Amino acid sequence: EVQLVESGGGLVKPGGSLRLSCTASGFAFSSYSINWVRQAPGKGLEWVSSISTISNYIYYVDSVKGRFTISRDNARNSVYLQMDSLGAEDTAVYYCVRGRDCSAGSSCSERGGDHWGQGTLVTVSS
Amino acid sequence: IVLTQSPGTLSLSPGERATLSCRASQSVSSNYLAWYQQKPGQAPRLLIYGASSRATGIPDRFSGSGSGTDFTLTINRLEPEDFAVYYCQQYGTSRTWTFGQGTKVEIK
Repeated sequence: EVQLVESGGGLVKPGGSLRLSCTASGFAFSSYSINWVRQAPGKGLEWVSSISTISNYIYYVDSVKGRFTISRDNARNSVYLQMDSLGAEDTAVYYCVRGRDCSAGSSCSERGGDHWGQGTLVTVSS
Repeated sequence: IVLTQSPGTLSLSPGERATLSCRASQSVSSNYLAWYQQKPGQAPRLLIYGASSRATGIPDRFSGSGSGTDFTLTINRLEPEDFAVYYCQQYGTSRTWTFGQGTKVEIK
C-alpha cells in the first residue's frame, strides 16, 4: 500500500523556521517526483514545490522562493521542506503528494498527484 | 496558467447529474488536466488525469472530457458520498502545478 506520512508541523512565531518531513512507503520512492501542496484554513489548494527523482529539477511557487528549500534522501525514502522567514500567510495544512512517475526507466509519465499524505498543520502566529 | 472553475457552488439532489467546468487561461499541454475530490478533514483524492482517464478505483459515474482550454467533470447519478469540493489542476507545464479555486457540490 502506497503511504506518504508528513510530520514536523506545529506552531511557530512569525519570522521563525520549521522543517517538514515526508516519509514514503509501499512504492519505488526514488522513481517518483514529490510535491508539496498546501491549503490555508477554509481555502483552496496551492502547489508549493516539487523535486525530481534525483533532485536535478526543483521548482517553487513564487511566494516561497528564497524562503523554502525542498530536498530528498532516497536512501531514507524521505522528502523535506525547510521553511524559513515564515509569515501568517504560510499558515496551512501541508500535503506531501506523489507526482511524476519515472519507474519505467527511459520515460516518465504524468498523472497529476495520485497519492497524498494526510497533511501536517503549520500555524504561524505570535 | 490560471484555472477558473464554475460554478462556485452546485446545489443538486442525489441521483442528479453534476457538470463542473474548468477553463484555462492558455492551452493545457498534452491535456495534463486532473480533477480531485476533497471531503472535509480529508486529503484530496485523484479522480481523473489526462483530462479523461479515471484513476484507480474511481467509479465510472465520474467522467472527464475536454481539451485545450475547456474541460468538464461530469458526475452521473450523484451518490450521497459525492457531495464534496472538486478541484481541477494542470500539471506538467514547466513541471509546476496550478489548481482551480474549487467547486462545491452540495445537497439541495
